[in-house]
Amino acid sequence: DIQMTQSPSSLSASVGDRVTITCRASQSISNYLNWYQQKPGKAPKVLIYTASSLQSGVPSTFSGSGSGTDFTLTISSLQPEDFATYYCQQSYSTPYTFGQGTKLEI
Amino acid sequence: QVQLVQSGAEVKKPGASVKVSCKVSGYTLTELSMHWVRQAPGKGLEWMGGFDPEDGETIYANKFQGRVTMTEDRSTDTAYLELSSLRSEDTAVYYCAKLNCLNGVCYPGDYFDHWGQGTLVTVSS
Repeated sequence: DIQMTQSPSSLSASVGDRVTITCRASQSISNYLNWYQQKPGKAPKVLIYTASSLQSGVPSTFSGSGSGTDFTLTISSLQPEDFATYYCQQSYSTPYTFGQGTKLEI
Repeated sequence: QVQLVQSGAEVKKPGASVKVSCKVSGYTLTELSMHWVRQAPGKGLEWMGGFDPEDGETIYANKFQGRVTMTEDRSTDTAYLELSSLRSEDTAVYYCAKLNCLNGVCYPGDYFDHWGQGTLVTVSS
């Protein structure tokens, strides 16, 4: 199975900050990496797919990059509604695997 | 617009089975690749398995092999997850999630674009 490792596990930031979350795969997954946002009590919501494509309706303050084994999610200017938990997920092969999550806190 | 609506919360005793449903609207189930993901309290997301429309087979994560069954009733566009021999570690929110395959063909890079609201399954004696 492909292991996905996110860092950091938690992150404190302020409105207006630029933040970066990293995700590393245990083997090359090309660009088959997706990012999800999850708020408490809610289902995850896709933000970025295939490493750098922005899902329709997602603010352009979110961006993704990377290929192979190393990926990043960047939020260029944090908004109050961005405080949530973020997960990466590889869709290179089954079993699909997720990172352990990064909790973004004020 | 596709919507996935799941059945309500369940409380089960250890050793019992649970069956969670996921009703699809806005699409027919035959057009979809439906998967199940669970999340234990305070923990991350764990993929359990899903349907590959290309070969018509359901793929299960090794961890759940022998205990999990995913089925579909295409007459009602409802997907089901059944998990047996429940233990306390199975306490979790269970989500159905649609993989965004195109025209019934799935590729690497597909992602979960629609999710159900989640069903809490509590296993307790």
